[in-house]
Amino acid sequence: DAGITQSPRHKVTETGTPVTLRCHQTENHRYMYWYRQDPGHGLRLIHYSYGVKDTDKGEVSDGYSVSRSKTEDFLLTLESATSSQTSVYFCAIRGGRANYLWTFGSGTRLTVV
Amino acid sequence: SQQGEEDPQALSIQEGENATMNCSYKTSINNLQWYRQNSGRGLVHLILIRSNEREKHSGRLRVTLDTSKKSSSLLITASRAADTASYFCATDEGSNYQLIWGAGTKLIIKP
Repeated sequence: DAGITQSPRHKVTETGTPVTLRCHQTENHRYMYWYRQDPGHGLRLIHYSYGVKDTDKGEVSDGYSVSRSKTEDFLLTLESATSSQTSVYFCAIRGGRANYLWTFGSGTRLTVV
Repeated sequence: SQQGEEDPQALSIQEGENATMNCSYKTSINNLQWYRQNSGRGLVHLILIRSNEREKHSGRLRVTLDTSKKSSSLLITASRAADTASYFCATDEGSNYQLIWGAGTKLIIKP
């Protein structure tokens, strides 16, 4: 999607290994989010950021950490991947007038074997 | 926690018919948004309706919002095969700066 990219698009990793997903934006938006999507569920918030070095937990943050050292990049790290973290991960940015405009990345499909 | 709940979970109709999906939510909101997701793809924003609006149109889409019942509906008129996708509602409560999502309605348009 325009203004936001995620990498990698697909990844297979082994249980117990650390994994980092990257979200990059070119919109200079303050707010960035990491969601996961699983069958039968809507998107669930993992972590979000409201500024450089300002982050907070979402409802499913256990086993995940994030970092935002500059406005354009928001990294999601699975400290020790587990099979329950097999999912599709979406990054989102929020901005525009009154912060109503949300834009989502294309997603990262992560498989933990 | 899941805020929105879509109904039905799945809907299969003939091309050319209208499709209606409903969303219920639990708390006060600033706005409600509808998204489409094609299989294996990202999320596409369809329409946003603010809490002080009751109805909004965009092309073949019509969204209504009833804040007294905490519900919204998405109507797609004259459906096409390309409308086959999952549709999600998401609510913006204004606090915690996040969207809260329902589980989605899977729409299949039969040719």
